[in-house]
Amino acid sequence: EAEVAQSPRYKITEKSQAVAFWCDPISGHATLYWYRQILGQGPELLVQFQDESVVDDSQLPKDRFSAERLKGVDSTLKIQPAELGDSAMYLCASSPRLTPVDTQYFGPGTRLTVL
Amino acid sequence: EDQVTQSPEALRLQEGESSSLNCSYTVSGLRGLFWYRQDPGKGPEFLFTLYSAGEEKEKERLKATLTKKESFLHITAPKPEDSATYLCAVLTGANNLFFGTGTRLTVIP
Repeated sequence: EAEVAQSPRYKITEKSQAVAFWCDPISGHATLYWYRQILGQGPELLVQFQDESVVDDSQLPKDRFSAERLKGVDSTLKIQPAELGDSAMYLCASSPRLTPVDTQYFGPGTRLTVL
Repeated sequence: EDQVTQSPEALRLQEGESSSLNCSYTVSGLRGLFWYRQDPGKGPEFLFTLYSAGEEKEKERLKATLTKKESFLHITAPKPEDSATYLCAVLTGANNLFFGTGTRLTVIP
């Protein structure tokens, strides 16, 4: 069964350092999402791509966060510099098309700890 | 303002003790309601999508229902392996997916 892949699974960094997360969506899925989930809360959307284009990045803190999906397949989310409050699980999800009720399938996530 | 509220926050059941989880929502133009299961340290796993009031879906010991204001996830005769956090999410007319904070279910053998 096809799955969304993410790496690394765990990342520990010091504040002010740069970190990057990678996501490979299910093959053929046009839409890719990055979410942040703080412990005890539900996921919150950071950015949404349709192929290589950003559809929604209204909740992305653009002063420190950036995301790209250059060839419309895999994607990278970067934080520079990392802050203590960035400690969270970063989840990637994908769906076949950008339709309103398309199911999103999630990867295993990257657990970030900022010291 | 769009809002999704799940209750209870945590639920402990004896194995075999059936119960229901609630997801109430206030959104502008509901396009769909999703239920996910999330195990500790893992990503959410898709369970169901409901599109309109009156719709019901079942999978093993789980049954999801939808009204115009809320959704229920009914768990019949739960087993310890059903222990997880259950997340509800709504897709609004603006194509935004809002998640609730989840219900943490523990099933005791």
